[in-house]
Amino acid sequence: EAQVTQNPRYLITVTGKKLTVTCSQNMNHEYMSWYRQDPGLGLRQIYYSMNVEVTDKGDVPEGYKVSRKEKRNFPLILESPSPNQTSLYFCASSYLGTSGSPAKNIQYFGAGTRLSVL
Amino acid sequence: LAKTTQPISMDSYEGQEVNITCSHNNIATNDYITWYQQFPSQGPRFIIQGYKTKVTNEVASLFIPADRKSSTLSLPRVSLSDTAVYYCLVGGRELTGGGNKLTFGTGTQLKVEL
Repeated sequence: EAQVTQNPRYLITVTGKKLTVTCSQNMNHEYMSWYRQDPGLGLRQIYYSMNVEVTDKGDVPEGYKVSRKEKRNFPLILESPSPNQTSLYFCASSYLGTSGSPAKNIQYFGAGTRLSVL
Repeated sequence: LAKTTQPISMDSYEGQEVNITCSHNNIATNDYITWYQQFPSQGPRFIIQGYKTKVTNEVASLFIPADRKSSTLSLPRVSLSDTAVYYCLVGGRELTGGGNKLTFGTGTQLKVEL
């Protein structure tokens, strides 16, 4: 089954304790990205990756890191989490196709990771 | 990427047709318009995509006027299960300025009641 898998689904941590949220897709997609969702603010992109070893900042990258060492995996790293990073996080992936544009291709989302930083 | 504006929320009743409009005044020539639906505690999922005029699938219709500065998602005969947040996404390939970012915006919360 084609899917985007995030782990963990729920996470409670304390300020400053490094954490990683994993994301894996089995569709051989080139494009992967991370979003956070907060009440009243919708979905905001944190980082995206066009392919292996190619990553770039989204609209809200501060406090986050990512890596793309393999095509299927795109982990989100919080080196020193703070309470303002408490949020619902989504990973997504898509083909780039002949257009090379993620906006023209269907984005497939994971089920989400609810993070609380105390 | 073109900035989008949608109503924050809409209310409807079962069996009615719902039209959600998205404004995207600075849409570029190569931009497509895509709508996503998000149920509580789930990730968004694709509903429909279009470039111009009208597109219809088994779930919805998408109306795009000639100037493409707005688009309307039409949901026929909604049911309680259509209660969700609907996002309009506009974009195409931009070669400069981080143009491969995706900006989903705040979305429209649709609430369907009996």
